Amino acid sequence: EVQLVESGGGLVKPGGSLRLSCAASGFTLSNAWMSWVRQAPGKGLEWVGRIRSKNDGGTTDYAAPVKGRFTISRDDSKNTLYLQMNSLKTEDTAVYYCTHYGDAEYFQDWGQGTLVTVSS
Amino acid sequence: QSALTQPPSASGSPGQSVAISCTGTSSDVGGYNYVSWYQQYPGKAPKLMIYEVSKRPSGVPDRFSGSKSGNTASLTVSGLQAEDEADYFCISYAGSNNPVVFGGGTKLTVL
Repeated sequence: EVQLVESGGGLVKPGGSLRLSCAASGFTLSNAWMSWVRQAPGKGLEWVGRIRSKNDGGTTDYAAPVKGRFTISRDDSKNTLYLQMNSLKTEDTAVYYCTHYGDAEYFQDWGQGTLVTVSS
Repeated sequence: QSALTQPPSASGSPGQSVAISCTGTSSDVGGYNYVSWYQQYPGKAPKLMIYEVSKRPSGVPDRFSGSKSGNTASLTVSGLQAEDEADYFCISYAGSNNPVVFGGGTKLTVL
């Protein structure tokens, strides 16, 4: 059974940094395309970025609002995905979900989410 | 504002059918057969219900079906049951530069 468990959320001041983790089980992370999606309070979902599988080059793509500030990476030895968030802004406040792509452009599995609050 | 347009709410009585629409453009919904639908209960993780417009993952009841016509995709829930009351949102692929676009979500109420 696939499980995705996010951690690392919390309260951070504007301009600060935070690293989210997503521990994956039930599949090999290096063989998977993974993505981060966020949902601001009372708002709709927003794609943050993704990382391709090792076989597909392991490259990353980011949404315009986070490009240059957020970095997606993974530690294959720990089967864990990361989202490094720098220069945080109040508008980054959201629940952040880790997602696992299916064999095409859809999200087969989702984590429970972790709340990030950016406030002074 | 979400890229894909969904009605904010939909409702039906037990046993009835309800369709939820997801309208985009020829650059997303209309251009690719990569529309997926998700069910989300409050405070819970989303669950995949339909992928590639009309395919159903194993374990999803066949009461849930998907379709597409032009730039509008639809999720139909037949034989409504109380446990179907949840939020539903759609996602579409929109090309390599902006790979994921979302609908704003529809709250389905079972009367």
